[in-house]
Amino acid sequence: GAVVSQHPSWVICKSGTSVKIECRSLDFQATTMFWYRQFPKQSLMLMATSNEGSKATYEQGVEKDKFLINHASLTLSTLTVTSAHPEDSSFYICSARVRATTLTDTQYFGPGTRLTVL
Amino acid sequence: AQKVTQAQTEISVVEKEDVTLDCVYETRDTTYYLFWYKQPPSGELVFLIRRNSFDEQNEISGRYSWNFQKSTSSFNFTITASQVVDSAVYFCALSEAFGNEKLTFGTGTRLTIIP
Repeated sequence: GAVVSQHPSWVICKSGTSVKIECRSLDFQATTMFWYRQFPKQSLMLMATSNEGSKATYEQGVEKDKFLINHASLTLSTLTVTSAHPEDSSFYICSARVRATTLTDTQYFGPGTRLTVL
Repeated sequence: AQKVTQAQTEISVVEKEDVTLDCVYETRDTTYYLFWYKQPPSGELVFLIRRNSFDEQNEISGRYSWNFQKSTSSFNFTITASQVVDSAVYFCALSEAFGNEKLTFGTGTRLTIIP
């Protein structure tokens, strides 16, 4: 149990285009999802916290108009990188928080999406 | 503010040796959670352990063991009889116990097991 998927696993796009990344919890409902970015050989940095049915909470320094997050259902959150630029190239990882009686209350991570902006 | 420090950037050991990865944390919360995650070359984070601040018992899971010492704010991870498959980046993380429980990650330790 506690499987989180991300789509696509990698994407290459031209500068100025928008890219949407999906994060799904496959076998549980996730009231809270998190979005992280990770630059090469660096740690994960939290970008935003996404709660189902409400606006995302962004970390300091993260542009909410550039990184649009939608959490429309208990199993799906999307991150849209708008007008992407080369400096947005990174590894984007989502996680979903499990709240179930049979599973530990913790975060499970998706496999990540590698974004390359040319 | 929360902070997690993993002072060891890279470690290399020969297969079958034991290795300990250090993690030191800072928090003002009295209740919090500590985690270890493994990130193999594929990139996917693998959950290893979650420990709450009230549980200072050491834990052993197969070749993995964790030593939580509140007095020194440390949560160290030991792999015994290391194997090549253990090669990965290991992250220690800290979260608040209430609210959204967002994770603060350390910078990670890249572990290489030499066959």
